[in-house]
Amino acid sequence: QSVLAQPPSVSGAPGQRVTISCTGSNSNIGAGYDVHWYQQLPGTAPKLLMYDNRNRASGVPDRFSGSKSGTSASLAITGLQAEDEADYYCQSYDTSLNTIFGGGTKVTVL
Amino acid sequence: QVQLVESGGGVVQPGRSLRLSCAASGFTFSNFDMHWVRQAPGKGLEWVALMSYDAKKEYYADSVKGRFTISRDNSRNTLYLQMNSLRAEDTAVYYCARVRYCSGDSCYLRKDLDYWGQGTLVTVSS
Repeated sequence: QSVLAQPPSVSGAPGQRVTISCTGSNSNIGAGYDVHWYQQLPGTAPKLLMYDNRNRASGVPDRFSGSKSGTSASLAITGLQAEDEADYYCQSYDTSLNTIFGGGTKVTVL
Repeated sequence: QVQLVESGGGVVQPGRSLRLSCAASGFTFSNFDMHWVRQAPGKGLEWVALMSYDAKKEYYADSVKGRFTISRDNSRNTLYLQMNSLRAEDTAVYYCARVRYCSGDSCYLRKDLDYWGQGTLVTVSS
């Protein structure tokens, strides 16, 4: 299993709000290292979504927001749309393991 | 615009070697640190290796340490991944990705990957 724990899947109806958690430890997120988020649409390469916990990458709609507290981080999607159906990954740095990714969360729009 | 194009993937037998390339364009390659990240079929992302902009520092995941070597040729704007002693579990799509520019001691270790290539598939099978 991944050092950063994410729920395997989350789902919501169009227009709803969903959140994805990313839980680490005191050797990564809890040590103060930033968390970044990526979106991977089916059959495509990952794309940067959020960086440094809460900053949206260029072109990312403000329906996406990020936060970090303690040993965890979260990505929220408000006003869920069909085009948001994708896999989402968190990433951070670990003092022992270097760059680390979460296991990924599949977002399904019902 | 920033472009990263991987090549060199294919089918290879266990124990053999393969070298991947990542051709960069649209930015000053020699100023940026670079990663290799892989994704096994149907699985999540796994970090593989990182090289500093000046090729002076390199870092590896434990799963590939001693078998894979990351390198770069800044005169050719190209990043490489030499993969030796390949195993079935190395089967994956391999992506190169750029580290967001930052200034500060080893700050690249903690930064996001702001641009990714489209990936190249490596299949290790007899």
